[in-house]
Amino acid sequence: SQQGEEDPQALSIQEGENATMNCSYKTSINNLQWYRQNSGRGLVHLILIRSNEREKHSGRLRVTLDTSKKSSSLLITASRAADTASYFCATGNTGNQFYFGTGTSLTVIP
Amino acid sequence: GAVVSQHPSWVICKSGTSVKIECRSLDFQATTMFWYRQFPKQSLMLMATSNEGSKATYEQGVEKDKFLINHASLTLSTLTVTSAHPEDSSFYICSARHRHRGVGNTEAFFGQGTRLTVV
Repeated sequence: SQQGEEDPQALSIQEGENATMNCSYKTSINNLQWYRQNSGRGLVHLILIRSNEREKHSGRLRVTLDTSKKSSSLLITASRAADTASYFCATGNTGNQFYFGTGTSLTVIP
Repeated sequence: GAVVSQHPSWVICKSGTSVKIECRSLDFQATTMFWYRQFPKQSLMLMATSNEGSKATYEQGVEKDKFLINHASLTLSTLTVTSAHPEDSSFYICSARHRHRGVGNTEAFFGQGTRLTVV
C-alpha cells in the first residue's frame, strides 16, 4: 500500500487544549509534509520537514520526525474551533510523488 | 502561496459518458502535476503523475484507458474519466509543484478538488 498510517483516526478536544497526531510510514523519504483539509475541500500545506531535520516549528504547530522509527508527529498547541479539520501527513521520495497517510479527523469543541 | 485552479468544482454526469477535469497552475509553471482520488472520509490516493510533454505515469491498479491524462502545457493538466460509472464517483484533486524548485523538496499546491457524481 502506498499509504502511511496515522493515529488517532479521530480526535476530539476542548478549545485551548493541545492536539497531537502521529504518522508512520514505510519507505525512505526525502521529506514529510503535513496538510490540512476542511470537509469536502482541497488541501492546505501546513509544514514541511526534511529527512535531516528532527523538529520544526511554525506558529502553533510543532512537527517532529524520527527517521529511525519512520514516524512523525504534529502538535497543535492552544487549539481553536477553527482548527477543526482533517490532517494528513504526506511523504515525499526522491521522485516527484507524494503519498498520503490515512488522516486524523480533529474536532475542537468551543 | 501559489494558486492551483481546478475546474469544475462539482459535476454530475450520466453513466457511460466522459468527464474532463482541468487543473491549472495560475501563477507558476509546473512540469509535473499529480492527480489524486479521495473517497468519503478516506485519505488521498495518488492516481498518476502528469508530466508536461510526455506520457503520464500511473500508479499500480489505476486503469490508464479509463483515466486519461494530458499535460498539454506547463500550466495545464487534464484528467478525463471515460465511460464513467457510479463507482467512479469520488473527489478528484490535483496538485502541482513549481518548475524551478527542484524535485522532492518542496510543498505541493493543491486545487480545490472536483466532486464527481455519476448517476
